[in-house]
Amino acid sequence: GQNIDQPTEMTATEGAIVQINCTYQTSGFNGLFWYQQHAGEAPTFLSYNVLDGLEEKGRFSSFLSRSKGYSYLLLKELQMKDSASYLCAAMDSNYQLIWGAGTKLIIKP
Amino acid sequence: GAVVSQHPSWVICKSGTSVKIECRSLDFQATTMFWYRQFPKQSLMLMATSNEGSKATYEQGVEKDKFLINHASLTLSTLTVTSAHPEDSSFYICSARELAGEAYEQYFGPGTRLTVT
Repeated sequence: GQNIDQPTEMTATEGAIVQINCTYQTSGFNGLFWYQQHAGEAPTFLSYNVLDGLEEKGRFSSFLSRSKGYSYLLLKELQMKDSASYLCAAMDSNYQLIWGAGTKLIIKP
Repeated sequence: GAVVSQHPSWVICKSGTSVKIECRSLDFQATTMFWYRQFPKQSLMLMATSNEGSKATYEQGVEKDKFLINHASLTLSTLTVTSAHPEDSSFYICSARELAGEAYEQYFGPGTRLTVT
């Protein structure tokens, strides 16, 4: 079956670095997405990886290892506004997104 | 660019009534639109995929007669929750895939919060 696993909740300190891991199993693979979702709002796109390696975009970076079915989202210089849920989603062979349950990130001062 | 709107942003209705939610792609044409439902503290659950001019494809467990989807044009899809009940209270989010865009690009609307009393 298809499955996405990510931690339920993580806590980090303002100004620090946090890494949110995601493992996936899908029927075919057309890329791995990370979305940010604040409470009561729709998800907003953060990153897309389809090739192995690290993609850096400002304070946020995303890594993919296709052979391991593994990705992580790295957030640097954490700010209070980064407190949100981070959703990992893998796109299968039918271009359908398979969603993880999300990781709630709590930032403490 | 690539903006998706939803209307209404929130709605309260009485049990047994029907509610229509609109999803529009404002600055692009969308061949495919997706409807998701999200319960509190849970992830997005795909309800159905709709392609312009054809019937929607519903996910397993989603009643097609209860959640009516119409994708009449390349910029508009509607979801009608018929005979709504309190258990239908949820956050409904649509997303759209651009006609001329990459297959992986999907743009989300802001969501509609439905409360059935």
